[in-house]
Amino acid sequence: DIQLTQSPSFLSASVEDRVTITCRASLGFSSYLAWYQQKPGKAPKLLIYGASTLQSGVPSRFSGSGSGTEFTLTISSLQPEDSATYYCQQVHSYPLTFGGGTKVEIK
Amino acid sequence: EVQLVESGGGLVQPGGSLRLSCVVSGITFSDHYMDWVRQAPGKGLEWVGRSRNKAYSYSTEYAAPVKGRFSFSRDESKNLVYLQMNSLKTEDTAVYYCVAGYSDRWGVDVSDIWGQGTMIIVSS
Repeated sequence: DIQLTQSPSFLSASVEDRVTITCRASLGFSSYLAWYQQKPGKAPKLLIYGASTLQSGVPSRFSGSGSGTEFTLTISSLQPEDSATYYCQQVHSYPLTFGGGTKVEIK
Repeated sequence: EVQLVESGGGLVQPGGSLRLSCVVSGITFSDHYMDWVRQAPGKGLEWVGRSRNKAYSYSTEYAAPVKGRFSFSRDESKNLVYLQMNSLKTEDTAVYYCVAGYSDRWGVDVSDIWGQGTMIIVSS
């Protein structure tokens, strides 16, 4: 199974800060990685798929990059509505797996 | 409107069974794979399994913790997906989400439609 390790598990940043979340995989693969945003009490929302493709309707301040064993989600200018928990998911091989999550707090 | 609506959650005793339903609207049911993802209280997301689309005969994959206990099925006539859960354990307590997705032209999964989730509590 491919294990995904997200870091940090928690971060606190100010509005308009640039924020980067890392997802490291136990085995390398190309672009089969997605990023989700989840707010309390809500279903996750797809932000990025194929490691770097922005889902329709998602603000352009979100971007994804990476391949192999290291992937990143970047928020170029943090906004108050970005307070949430973010998860990566590999869709390269079964069983599909999620990272442990990164909770983003607005200072 | 594209929508997934789960139902069937509730309280069940350890060892019991429960069937969740997910009704799909606004998309071509047979063209999409359907995943189930769960989230235990205060915990992260856990993939439960997948029912592939019709082109793959709705074949299935399961996560190890549920293999042999959970099974998926579909009713095309009703645009319904079912998650049959047997031999339930306390550790199955979670919110269960159904998720619809497709593979893009490069074969990358796009899991873009999520239901609101339904809560299962396994407790005596």
